Amino acid sequence: DIVMTQAPLSVSVTPGESASISCRSSKSLLHSNGITYVYWYLQKPGKSPQLLIYRMSNLASGVPDRFSGSGSETDFTLKISRVEAEDVGIYYCGQLLENPWTFGGGTKLELK
Amino acid sequence: EVQLVESGGGLVQPGASLKLSCVASGFTFSDYWMSWVRQTPGKTMEWIGDIKYDGSYTNYAPSLKNRFTISRDNAKSTLYLQMSNVRSEDTATYYCTSGTLGYWGQGVMVTVSS
Repeated sequence: DIVMTQAPLSVSVTPGESASISCRSSKSLLHSNGITYVYWYLQKPGKSPQLLIYRMSNLASGVPDRFSGSGSETDFTLKISRVEAEDVGIYYCGQLLENPWTFGGGTKLELK
Repeated sequence: EVQLVESGGGLVQPGASLKLSCVASGFTFSDYWMSWVRQTPGKTMEWIGDIKYDGSYTNYAPSLKNRFTISRDNAKSTLYLQMSNVRSEDTATYYCTSGTLGYWGQGVMVTVSS
């Protein structure tokens, strides 16, 4: 199985500042079709996960453009600019390249 | 508005069977692959498997393949997860999701305990 490793486990951010979350995969997530199959999800407190970023850098519908995704074949970053109170929750990266799809352990974002 | 509504969870004894359902609305269910994902009490996310839009093909996480079965009824816009010989480690919240996990249901809790 592809192992997804996130860092840090938690991050505390002042509202209005930016935050970055890292994710590393144990295998390249770059498919021969040129698409990198890494996804980012946010689970707000008491809610279901929601899709933020698909295929490494594409913003899901309705997601503010304060969120952005980038990376290489095995190292990925989710950046949140101008953090707001509604951004609090647990962020997960996931790989949808091969069976079984796997997820990172999550990064908890809190406000200072 | 896309809605995925799971049901069928609860407290079950080890070794029992359980069938979860997920009713979809707000999109053309029969056009989409669908998946089940579970989240343990410790917040670990685990993909269970998925099913092709016409129900003709399924994929499973190897560790669950022998005990879990995914099916669907497109006429009822409903996705199913049949769980057999459940174990304590199956205790989790189970989510129905669409496509590449773009939409998620509210989740249904399954607790395996004697």
